[in-house]
Amino acid sequence: GDSVTQMEGPVTLSEEAFLTINCTYTATGYPSLFWYVQYPGEGLQLLLKATKADDKGSNKGFEATYRKETTSFHLEKGSVQVSDSAVYFCALNAGGTSYGKLTFGQGTILTVHP
Amino acid sequence: GAVVSQHPSWVICKSGTSVKIECRSLDFQATTMFWYRQFPKQSLMLMATSNEGSKATYEQGVEKDKFLINHASLTLSTLTVTSAHPEDSSFYICSAASSGGAVEFLGTQYFGPGTRLTVL
Repeated sequence: GDSVTQMEGPVTLSEEAFLTINCTYTATGYPSLFWYVQYPGEGLQLLLKATKADDKGSNKGFEATYRKETTSFHLEKGSVQVSDSAVYFCALNAGGTSYGKLTFGQGTILTVHP
Repeated sequence: GAVVSQHPSWVICKSGTSVKIECRSLDFQATTMFWYRQFPKQSLMLMATSNEGSKATYEQGVEKDKFLINHASLTLSTLTVTSAHPEDSSFYICSAASSGGAVEFLGTQYFGPGTRLTVL
């Protein structure tokens, strides 16, 4: 079945450090890929998405490129801030269609220290 | 745009009572809404898919009679936890998938802020 695997956390960084959170997936067809962020006590917010191979999603300094050859969608940010501390979820929509279910990774806790 | 609200944001109830949670898409129409449950420090578990005007589709292991879902309009879905027990205490999150409007929103799920349910 469809699945998403994220690097295990927690990840702890100093402010202005470079961030990479790895995400790989298994899916049939051509999935759409997403990164969601969850701040403490809140729901999920869409951070970025990519709907086809080689697409790059970007938002708020975060980037992720849809790599079909390696079935990956790694999240990167060049310089993290304390306010980026949150839980990050990689997810896929297996059908690549509008209303399909999302399959989530287990989440990666990021803590950024001043 | 693409805002989803949930009400209430938190609720405490006694064991055996029923609790209703509302999920609304505020600025877009959502043919499909999803209900998730999240345990502390864990990922989201999909409970059911709710389609406007039809019965919800429940995931394996989720009790239909305990978690009643109604999707009466394109902007509102409700989850009722019937005869709640302490093991039902959790963080419940809904999401809505846009069914129209701007292309960049189409197909993306937008999440509500969640409802913290505590059953005593």
